[in-house]
Amino acid sequence: AQKVTQAQTEISVVEKEDVTLDCVYETRDTTYYLFWYKQPPSGELVFLIRRNSFDEQNEISGRYSWNFQKSTSSFNFTITASQVVDSAVYFCALSGNNAGNMLTFGGGTRLMVKP
Amino acid sequence: DAGVIQSPRHEVTEMGQEVTLRCKPISGHDYLFWYRQTMMRGLELLIYFNNNVPIDDSGMPEDRFSAKMPNASFSTLKIQPSEPRDSAVYFCASSPTMGYTNEKLFFGSGTQLSVL
Repeated sequence: AQKVTQAQTEISVVEKEDVTLDCVYETRDTTYYLFWYKQPPSGELVFLIRRNSFDEQNEISGRYSWNFQKSTSSFNFTITASQVVDSAVYFCALSGNNAGNMLTFGGGTRLMVKP
Repeated sequence: DAGVIQSPRHEVTEMGQEVTLRCKPISGHDYLFWYRQTMMRGLELLIYFNNNVPIDDSGMPEDRFSAKMPNASFSTLKIQPSEPRDSAVYFCASSPTMGYTNEKLFFGSGTQLSVL
């Protein structure tokens, strides 16, 4: 069975603060993929990143960065210098190599960035 | 490409009525997924298809729910009879098969269902 846990249900920060969203996963698959999606107030689900289990290099994309630590089964997401437009619900998700492209989602973290 | 297209965007119906949600996946994608989003349960997978064949329907809550994919460009999710607890946002998503990797899902805009 696969499981994704996002312990932070809601985070509130002031604009320009850095914020880290935690994600912990469980899987028995030896090969798997981790994802982050953003759901802004408009409701659509926007893909942010995909990572495979063999690539533990951290990734940076503009103000976004991701830290994958296989030893602790975590895939955390950091937003540097947060902006009001970052306000959204962020979902971490897992896809095992024996389940097609099926995603198991965490419960989501609602991020509120105040001006 | 227009992306994954879902219709209707909003559906309000009365308890006991039949509801049909529709989805057109991205052309060339061979996986199609139906997810439901509620405050209590988050995003949960209902069913997914590969090459129009249902692969895993273990997430379908009960016999009132059924899903079909008659061809590669169309899928429906039907609830009959509908109940107030079915109120949720229903997302359709599609993805391609690319070698041996697991690809990202492309989501539609969702159908907001309200059962009164």
